[in-house]
Amino acid sequence: AQKVTQAQTEISVVEKEDVTLDCVYETRDTTYYLFWYKQPPSGELVFLIRRNSFDEQNEISGRYSWNFQKSTSSFNFTITASQVVDSAVYFCALMTYGGNNRKLIWGLGTSLAVNP
Amino acid sequence: EAQVTQNPRYLITVTGKKLTVTCSQNMNHEYMSWYRQDPGLGLRQIYYSMNVEVTDKGDVPEGYKVSRKEKRNFPLILESPSPNQTSLYFCASRLAGGADTQYFGPGTRLTVL
Repeated sequence: AQKVTQAQTEISVVEKEDVTLDCVYETRDTTYYLFWYKQPPSGELVFLIRRNSFDEQNEISGRYSWNFQKSTSSFNFTITASQVVDSAVYFCALMTYGGNNRKLIWGLGTSLAVNP
Repeated sequence: EAQVTQNPRYLITVTGKKLTVTCSQNMNHEYMSWYRQDPGLGLRQIYYSMNVEVTDKGDVPEGYKVSRKEKRNFPLILESPSPNQTSLYFCASRLAGGADTQYFGPGTRLTVL
């Protein structure tokens, strides 16, 4: 069964703190993709990153970084020096190669509140 | 600008009154999909389309219809809306091959009274 678990439902931090959002996935496929999306209070879904199962290299983009570890089936997301504008719900998602649909399987999201 | 558009963004309607939510993309994507987002349930796929005239059910298709007569458009039709279809709806598109990133429309917040 394919599944994505984001154990942290809500996180609250003070501005400038670092924060890590956890994502654990389950799949039997050897080829798959992992994604992070951001949903700000305005409601749209904003793509942040895609990582394929063969690329375990960590990635950094400005204040954002992602740690992909196949050994623990985790794809964690860290925001360094958080800002109020980072307040949003963050979703981790999995896409496998089964069938034509290749739909996204979503975690339930982590709501991040960054307080001034 | 590459984008997925949805209309309307907000809609309040009454039970049984047919409605259509439009979705259009300008990226020449083959694959399009509709999701609904509900608290505690996350995002669930309603229908998807691999290309023109090719559509199939997702996880929660009951009460919805779709059509794909043109590559760019993928409307979601609620023939007889009910209160349990009150939700936030997203349209998404991507290239059909590989595992290309899905890009989402801005969402349509539907309330059925």
